[in-house]
Amino acid sequence: QSALTQPPSASGSPGQSVTISCTGTSSDVGGYNYVSWYQQHPGKAPKLMIYEVSERPSGVPDRFSGSKSGNTASLTVSGLQPEDEADYFCSSYAGSNNRVFGGGTKLTVL
Amino acid sequence: QVQLQESGPGLVKPSQTLSLTCTVSGGSISSGAKYWTWIRQHPGKGLEWIGYIYYTGSTYYNPSLKSRVTMSVDTSKNQFSLRLSSVTAADTAVYYCASEGPSHSGYDYWGQGTLVTVSS
Repeated sequence: QSALTQPPSASGSPGQSVTISCTGTSSDVGGYNYVSWYQQHPGKAPKLMIYEVSERPSGVPDRFSGSKSGNTASLTVSGLQPEDEADYFCSSYAGSNNRVFGGGTKLTVL
Repeated sequence: QVQLQESGPGLVKPSQTLSLTCTVSGGSISSGAKYWTWIRQHPGKGLEWIGYIYYTGSTYYNPSLKSRVTMSVDTSKNQFSLRLSSVTAADTAVYYCASEGPSHSGYDYWGQGTLVTVSS
């Protein structure tokens, strides 16, 4: 399977909103509601931010939201804060017990 | 709170086998509610799913690595392991163990990651 496609970078000023896309195919993102998003700060392990397209784990601020349309999933970060600066990765179930990740997006808070 | 900890050699010679173990604490690996997973991240790159093992021993591997990957589980020690054979420099990466919740609900717990370098 091929990696999901994410923009390499995104940016926004504090307080603004930014949306990161994750594009796959009908065999992964478009075929299942099993998209998850991860935040990774430098030198740290990834942290689950969104699962099943739009569900937030306990403790994740509601500034983080997820959605999906067709073969593209999106993560929106509202009210950007300095600590949101990190790498973000998407992941999707890809059928036949396979999983696939996106290449990652570096979010910069200006 | 479930915690995961990777352990194993940080340096492996080309053509040899990489072996890592993940120790789970704060929960039972046999609870049946998790898929115990290995994920790697090449330096400065994205994440790559290697595969997972269920507590029963059932495994599923990334098709691109399947011929070289073996995973096992030791429920008595609350551990699961990864073996990757015939390694090359392209296998140099940070290796993470993680747990995936039921119904593909994301990787909710992660180890801190361990860097494995393939070099002679």
